[in-house]
Amino acid sequence: AQSVTQLGSHVSVSEGALVLLRCNYSSSVPPYLFWYVQYPNQGLQLLLKYTSAATLVKGINGFEAEFKKSETSFHLTKPSAHMRDAAEYFCAVSWAGRNKLTFGTGTQLKVEL
Amino acid sequence: EAQVTQNPRYLITVTGKKLTVTCSQNMNHEYMSWYRQDPGLGLRQIYYSMNVEVTDKGDVPEGYKVSRKEKRNFPLILESPSPNQTSLYFCASLSHPSASEAYEQYFGPGTRLTVT
Repeated sequence: AQSVTQLGSHVSVSEGALVLLRCNYSSSVPPYLFWYVQYPNQGLQLLLKYTSAATLVKGINGFEAEFKKSETSFHLTKPSAHMRDAAEYFCAVSWAGRNKLTFGTGTQLKVEL
Repeated sequence: EAQVTQNPRYLITVTGKKLTVTCSQNMNHEYMSWYRQDPGLGLRQIYYSMNVEVTDKGDVPEGYKVSRKEKRNFPLILESPSPNQTSLYFCASLSHPSASEAYEQYFGPGTRLTVT
């Protein structure tokens, strides 16, 4: 069965430090991959998506993610964390022609001074 | 402005009292979906609709009903709510750029439901 795993339910970084949020998928066919962000008391906002074009995807707010087929991964990174990045981040996967997103369990990012 | 709206945003109710959460989109999307979000479980799909009068179960449909009588609206109905349906609910509307691309989902702001 296809699934997505986010390692680390809570990640804490210092302001200015590298942000790395991990996402691995399990699929027998090439998936489409998404990262969503949820700020406190708000809905989900799309950060970026991979749809089989460039493997390095740039998103909003300085985030990017790299699709690595050999590692079945789609980790989210940002070179320098800012306080406003504190939120919950969800990795999600879908497949061509499918209307369903399968979500990971989320990673809560905390940014400390 | 393209958007998905949900009402109400917050709801506290008692066990067994029927309720409806409305969802509306203004993007003329054919596909719509309902998810629930629970701590440690991420978002799980409840029901989805591929078009007017076409709906199907997602991963966690028990205790829920939906209807799709108009393209823009996709209400979620809890006929006899129970405490285990206390959750944060999201409606999503799906764009379909082309047959070879993934659907991009637009989410509503969420409805926080508490069933006592």
